[in-house]
Amino acid sequence: DAGVIQSPRHEVTEMGQEVTLRCKPISGHNSLFWYRQTMMRGLELLIYFNNNVPIDDSGMPEDRFSAKMPNASFSTLKIQPSEPRDSAVYFCASSVVFGQGRTEAFFGQGTRLTVV
Amino acid sequence: RKEVEQDPGPFNVPEGATVAFNCTYSNSASQSFFWYRQDCRKEPKLLMSVYSSGNEDGRFTAQLNRASQYISLLIRDSKLSDSATYLCVVNSNNAGNMLTFGGGTRLMVKP
Repeated sequence: DAGVIQSPRHEVTEMGQEVTLRCKPISGHNSLFWYRQTMMRGLELLIYFNNNVPIDDSGMPEDRFSAKMPNASFSTLKIQPSEPRDSAVYFCASSVVFGQGRTEAFFGQGTRLTVV
Repeated sequence: RKEVEQDPGPFNVPEGATVAFNCTYSNSASQSFFWYRQDCRKEPKLLMSVYSSGNEDGRFTAQLNRASQYISLLIRDSKLSDSATYLCVVNSNNAGNMLTFGGGTRLMVKP
């Protein structure tokens, strides 16, 4: 299995531009998570999906952020318009629950976003 | 109070030392617990899962104390390659399989 695949790996954009981050979860995993990591705040959960349905988006910073999961194999995180304070590493992770509530989550390599 | 709390460190230890990290969590309904390792500029990777009172894998031992709501990670015979950030993760299954991460504890193993 190729693991969780994120694209792009790096993104540099100007303030005000739209940014779209993409994620392909591991096949068969039914939960997908978007995290943001900064030195100041560590790993923050932005939103997570169960069976393509958003379950908790309370971590989404504001209306400029939106996430979709149109099918089990693809998700996007969009920032419009972007601001310098959005600069961070954005991780996508997927997981599956297997027997007796056990679960393991695997992360993609992340997208390093810089907004100038 | 944060849901999952860790001492950020850094813990500076010599090679061969034994080091332990603690993590406390606030949600008493949490079902499963994990330790992830994150190297600089890399993604977090699963180190150990903790479903019952504890788990051991080679030099690594994780223990869970539900009454006191903390998890620990013990690393014996530290290697230089153990230098990383260790993230405590809590899964509250009643919240729909949501993983909450602690801020991480940084470990630096010196020769």
